[in-house]
Amino acid sequence: NAGVTQTPKFQVLKTGQSMTLQCAQDMNHEYMSWYRQDPGMGLRLIHYSVGAGITDQGEVPNGYNVSRSTTEDFPLRLLSAAPSQTSVYFCASMVDPGQGAREQYFGPGTRLTVT
Amino acid sequence: AQTVTQSQPEMSVQEAETVTLSCTYDTSENNYYLFWYKQPPSRQMILVIRQEAYKQQNATENRFSVNFQKAAKSFSLKISDSQLGDTAMYFCAYNYGGSQGNLIFGKGTKLSVKP
Repeated sequence: NAGVTQTPKFQVLKTGQSMTLQCAQDMNHEYMSWYRQDPGMGLRLIHYSVGAGITDQGEVPNGYNVSRSTTEDFPLRLLSAAPSQTSVYFCASMVDPGQGAREQYFGPGTRLTVT
Repeated sequence: AQTVTQSQPEMSVQEAETVTLSCTYDTSENNYYLFWYKQPPSRQMILVIRQEAYKQQNATENRFSVNFQKAAKSFSLKISDSQLGDTAMYFCAYNYGGSQGNLIFGKGTKLSVKP
């Protein structure tokens, strides 16, 4: 049971480049989400999904796209990277919010630098 | 909109002493969940303790306990017998308890435990 995995761990992009941050979980969790962490800002929600085929925006969705074709995977796409997207990105998963204790399991994070 | 405030950007404590981290939140909901997460230098997010708003009893996990004051919208974390391994960022987080699992985080408190 690997929990929540994220790849890559580190990435450097040039302004305007695109890339996909990968996230996978093997706990059969319906709910998955992406957060970004900036110095002095805590974690802020980018996008989330309550199940395969269902996604929605969080607090800071601009510049990011997501899709959820399977229960296990929830990739985050940067269409045209900007320096403002330099951050640490966390993926998280949770059992159905209607059940359980609502504990979210976080991946190890991806540090992204856009130059 | 719900907000979470951590008013202590940094704190320090001597090893074996007790320290309390403060957190206040704003919500109009009656049923919600509160969490404290620890982020050590490895940047992994680790759940320390959770509290369901409908439970009056304060949650306790070994050396970690909370003082949950629902009317005052206060949720402080007490760490007893502080250890060097407690050195980390600590984040207070809120989930409103509906059909989504989205977390709202405070900006964090950097705790240093000194030998």
